[in-house]
Amino acid sequence: AQSVTQPDIHITVSEGASLELRCNYSYGATPYLFWYVQSPGQGLQLLLKYFSGDTLVQGIKGFEAEFKRSQSSFNLRKPSVHWSDAAEYFCASPYSGGGADGLTFGKGTHLIIQP
Amino acid sequence: DTEVTQTPKHLVMGMTNKKSLKCEQHMGHRAMYWYKQKAKKPPELMFVYSYEKLSINESVPSRFSPECPNSSLLNLHLHALQPEDSALYLCASSQGESSRQPQHFGDGTRLSIL
Repeated sequence: AQSVTQPDIHITVSEGASLELRCNYSYGATPYLFWYVQSPGQGLQLLLKYFSGDTLVQGIKGFEAEFKRSQSSFNLRKPSVHWSDAAEYFCASPYSGGGADGLTFGKGTHLIIQP
Repeated sequence: DTEVTQTPKHLVMGMTNKKSLKCEQHMGHRAMYWYKQKAKKPPELMFVYSYEKLSINESVPSRFSPECPNSSLLNLHLHALQPEDSALYLCASSQGESSRQPQHFGDGTRLSIL
């Protein structure tokens, strides 16, 4: 089964600064990986996904993520954050990678934006 | 605007009540999911429906009863819930039987058990 770990529970970044949120995966083959964002009181919105191919993936809202097999990582980045980026960010992967499968999520990283 | 619609947005019920949560999508997706999310925690999978058939039940207590009347609708029937069942219940859908397909989430129903 695939699993993901987010080592940072909280991250504080100044508005306009760059951002990197960490995600590590545990799976032997090429994993399927997703980043979701959840604003307070709302559902989850897909930012980007990785299955194979180009290891640098572009997403919505100016986010990108890089898959690094050597480090078992799929970190989310943004060159310049906006106050509206304050939210909870989840890295996710399918349980088993076969068929209609539920997602298993990391514990999430709470992003705080300082003015 | 979310493409997965959940109703109601909020629900308060007593432990002896029977209520239902509803989820609807019109994207032609053939897989639908229920998740439970406690405060400050990630979502946890409850059920998966694939082509209107229950394919995964993550050992959820029988007081939660899912139903998929057709490919666009997913219900979660609630009966004799406990206070620890208070949570945000999220519905999601995806195109079909492939874990490559991203899941699209509704905004959830916030459930409070008195």
